[in-house]
Amino acid sequence: DAGVTQSPTHLIKTRGQHVTLRCSPISGHKSVSWYQQVLGQGPQFIFQYYEKEERGRGNFPDRFSARQFPNYSSELNVNALLLGDSALYLCASSWFSLRDRAYQPQHFGDGTRLSIL
Amino acid sequence: AQSVAQPEDQVNVAEGNPLTVKCTYSVSGNPYLFWYVQYPNRGLQFLLKYITGDNLVKGSYGFEAEFNKSQTSFHLKKPSALVSDSALYFCAVRGDGGATNKLIFGTGTLLAVQP
Repeated sequence: DAGVTQSPTHLIKTRGQHVTLRCSPISGHKSVSWYQQVLGQGPQFIFQYYEKEERGRGNFPDRFSARQFPNYSSELNVNALLLGDSALYLCASSWFSLRDRAYQPQHFGDGTRLSIL
Repeated sequence: AQSVAQPEDQVNVAEGNPLTVKCTYSVSGNPYLFWYVQYPNRGLQFLLKYITGDNLVKGSYGFEAEFNKSQTSFHLKKPSALVSDSALYFCAVRGDGGATNKLIFGTGTLLAVQP
């Protein structure tokens, strides 16, 4: 089975530009989360979407936005890029267990490496 | 607020020796705890989780973790380290009491296994 796929793998932008990152979850997973991982740090939560609705938002400015499509794939958009947005952006998918009444462990893609010049 | 701490930036161990990677947590309510591993230029791979039940949790690749409520710790262990275990290890706790799927990660511990 295919894992979580992200595109593109690498991206170079300049300050002030905008970027769109894409994520396809594992088949059957309806929850998609986005994380930002700055070099030398742990991932920081940006958004979670479940069934096309935003379910959680981290402490990121409004320049960051996301959406989830009917096929459960997702996009992360970042406007007015800053040098500090340079990072590895990770997408993770999961499913909700009605039996356990809890989300199951997240599976991560290999990320998009975004460099801002 | 929920948080995790990984007190060691790096752990060095010889191949064949047991390894321990430390994690302590701070949560309100019941902790949902996880360990993930990250290889260079890759995403995170799930190793194991603690939700409830036995304090010793077994996971992938021979790893296990010991949950200790009194010490608020969730240390990752393996009886015999392999060179291929060398990677960056993250402890995480589920934030927001489980209402969302938000994970709060520690700063990571680099495990170096020498042949």
